[in-house]
Amino acid sequence: DTAVSQTPKYLVTQMGNDKSIKCEQNLGHDTMYWYKQDSKKFLKIMFSYNNKELIINETVPNRFSPKSPDKAHLNLHINSLELGDSAVYFCASSFSPRANEQFFGPGTRLTVL
Amino acid sequence: AQTVTQSQPEMSVQEAETVTLSCTYDTSESDYYLFWYKQPPSRQMILVIRQEAYKQQNATENRFSVNFQKAAKSFSLKISDSQLGDAAMYFCAYRSSKSGSARQLTFGSGTQLTVLP
Repeated sequence: DTAVSQTPKYLVTQMGNDKSIKCEQNLGHDTMYWYKQDSKKFLKIMFSYNNKELIINETVPNRFSPKSPDKAHLNLHINSLELGDSAVYFCASSFSPRANEQFFGPGTRLTVL
Repeated sequence: AQTVTQSQPEMSVQEAETVTLSCTYDTSESDYYLFWYKQPPSRQMILVIRQEAYKQQNATENRFSVNFQKAAKSFSLKISDSQLGDAAMYFCAYRSSKSGSARQLTFGSGTQLTVLP
């Protein structure tokens, strides 16, 4: 039933590790996003894909690599994790890049030790 | 670049009372969308209300309404008859509708709303 799902919901890992966060939406949307919410609750766009094509790529370290195997999935892979990567990562989707509403997943809380 | 400012990091309201959360934004565009999202302790981001800039009429959704002042670039959220379940972090957000522009949401820093019983 979940419209936008993310796995895992919590991720605790050591510095230097590589980890992935998965996102899936069953709404039939064409556009998906990754947002980062830092410790001060500030939310900022990282990436957006439309029909598996990257359309937004904000200033994000290239240790972060999004991958969209199909329209329903947008995964986020992070290499060489750093302490500053600790945050909550939200996946979202919308019908199109021009759609009014974005639907958010439950978030993944990443803690880097 | 667009910016969104929420000048009230924290607000509190008595249950059943009314509270207004402030939001201002900066843009050179004439057509855009504004949103209020709610983030309860569960972390889920929930859309509360949205406003199209070309519409003069203020949006309303049950107990939630906005005061949209386009010239002043102000977009405040009014919550009437506050309920305990309204306690959450509230984010104001902007999205461009300009063709060819990035369509991501630009968020304010949030206002933590406490509802007192």
